[in-house]
Amino acid sequence: DAMVIQNPRYQVTQFGKPVTLSCSQTLNHNVMYWYQQKSSQAPKLLFHYYDKDFNNEADTPDNFQSRRPNTSFCFLDIRSPGLGDAAMYLCATKKSLSSYEQYFGPGTRLTVT
Amino acid sequence: GENVEQHPSTLSVQEGDSAVIKCTYSDSASNYFPWYKQELGKRPQLIIDIRSNVGEKKDQRIAVTLNKTAKHFSLHITETQPEDSAVYFCAAIVDSNYQLIWGAGTKLIIKP
Repeated sequence: DAMVIQNPRYQVTQFGKPVTLSCSQTLNHNVMYWYQQKSSQAPKLLFHYYDKDFNNEADTPDNFQSRRPNTSFCFLDIRSPGLGDAAMYLCATKKSLSSYEQYFGPGTRLTVT
Repeated sequence: GENVEQHPSTLSVQEGDSAVIKCTYSDSASNYFPWYKQELGKRPQLIIDIRSNVGEKKDQRIAVTLNKTAKHFSLHITETQPEDSAVYFCAAIVDSNYQLIWGAGTKLIIKP
C-alpha cells in the first residue's frame, strides 16, 4: 500500500547530541511537511518542500534543519536538542501545492534526556 | 493571516448522546475545512472535510456544517461510542498558500 513511513518510531537522544529523523513516501507526492507536536497541542509546521524548493517557517528555530535528497525521502536534523525539543514529529505529504488533503506518517516520538 | 479558533477545549458526553465541536475562522478566502481525529500517540486522521461551496456534509454518524457568512463550521457526532474518545482538530486552508491552519483541539471524552 502507498504510504508515509517514519523511522524510527521512538528516538531517545541526549541533551545537545545531534539527531536525525527520517520520512519516506511511496505516494510520489511533490509536497512534504515536517510538523512538531507537543502534548495536547495542534501540530506546528516547521518546514515544507514543494519538490526540492525548501520553505522554512519564520518561527522555526535555527537548531532545526531539513534535507530532501529526492522525491521519496525527507530528513529532519536537530543539531543540538534541548529538553524543549521533546515532542512528536510528524511528516506529511500531499500530491501538489494546490492539493488540499495531507497524508500523515505515524510520527516519531523524540525524548531528550 | 488566517486564524482558527476551536471550542470547547474539553467536551464530556454520555455514551449515546451527541457531541458538537465548533470552529471559527478569520479569512473569508478560506476554501477547505478538514476535521482530524487524533488518538493518543497516533497520527492525525482525516475523518471528514468540507469545501466552501457546500453547506453540509454527512458520513454515517459524523457531519460537518459550514456557515460562510458567519465564518464558522462545526463537527457533529451522533450516537457517540467509546471509540469516539480522542482529540479532534479543525483546520482551514486558504488558497493563497494552501497551508493548514489548525484549531487548538478539543478533547472528547465519552462517559460509559
